[in-house]
Amino acid sequence: DIVMTQSPDSLAVSLGERATINCKSSQSVLDSSSNKNFLVWYQQKPGQPPKVLIYWASTRESGVPDRFSGSGSGTDFTLTISSLQAEDVAVYYCHQYYSSPYTFGQGTNLDIK
Amino acid sequence: EVQLVDSGGGLVQPGGSLRLSCAASGFTFSDHYMDWVRQAPGRGLEWVGRIRNKANFYTTEYAASVKGRFTISRDDSTNSLYLQMNSLKTEDTAVYYCVRVRLGRELRFFDHWGQGTLVTVSS
Repeated sequence: DIVMTQSPDSLAVSLGERATINCKSSQSVLDSSSNKNFLVWYQQKPGQPPKVLIYWASTRESGVPDRFSGSGSGTDFTLTISSLQAEDVAVYYCHQYYSSPYTFGQGTNLDIK
Repeated sequence: EVQLVDSGGGLVQPGGSLRLSCAASGFTFSDHYMDWVRQAPGRGLEWVGRIRNKANFYTTEYAASVKGRFTISRDDSTNSLYLQMNSLKTEDTAVYYCVRVRLGRELRFFDHWGQGTLVTVSS
């Protein structure tokens, strides 16, 4: 199984400041035939299901604000929120769909400082 | 608009059974793989299993933690997804989400989620 490890577990950032969340996979999730990383970032707010923010490690889902960006390849990935807004308070998960079982990171709880 | 409406959750005793349902609308259900993902209270996300489409013979796969106890099925004529859960354990307590898998080999991630239905396994 591919183990996804996020850091930190929790993070508090001031409004308007940058937030950075890291995700490391125990093996590469780069698909050689498509040259795409099968890595997704989700945002989950309290009482709601997760919502897709980023797929292919760096492609923003339609409708997602451009303050959210993703980077990385292979085994190391980063989600960055360039200027934190109050509505960004949530738990963020990375997820690999490269191979079954499809696994998630443990989540990073993002709050306002 | 894509909609997934989960139902069927409730309180069940250890060793008991429960059947969850998901009503889909707003897209061509029969084209998509469909999955179940669960989330224990206050915990992270765990993939439960998948059922593929007719073109892929409705094949299924499951997480090791539920294999042999849970069965996923679908009815494309009514746009419905099901999760039959048998021999339930206390550790199966979670919110269960019906999820749609996006079309395309390179895009096979969960792009739409139901609101979830809570299953509590307790005596």
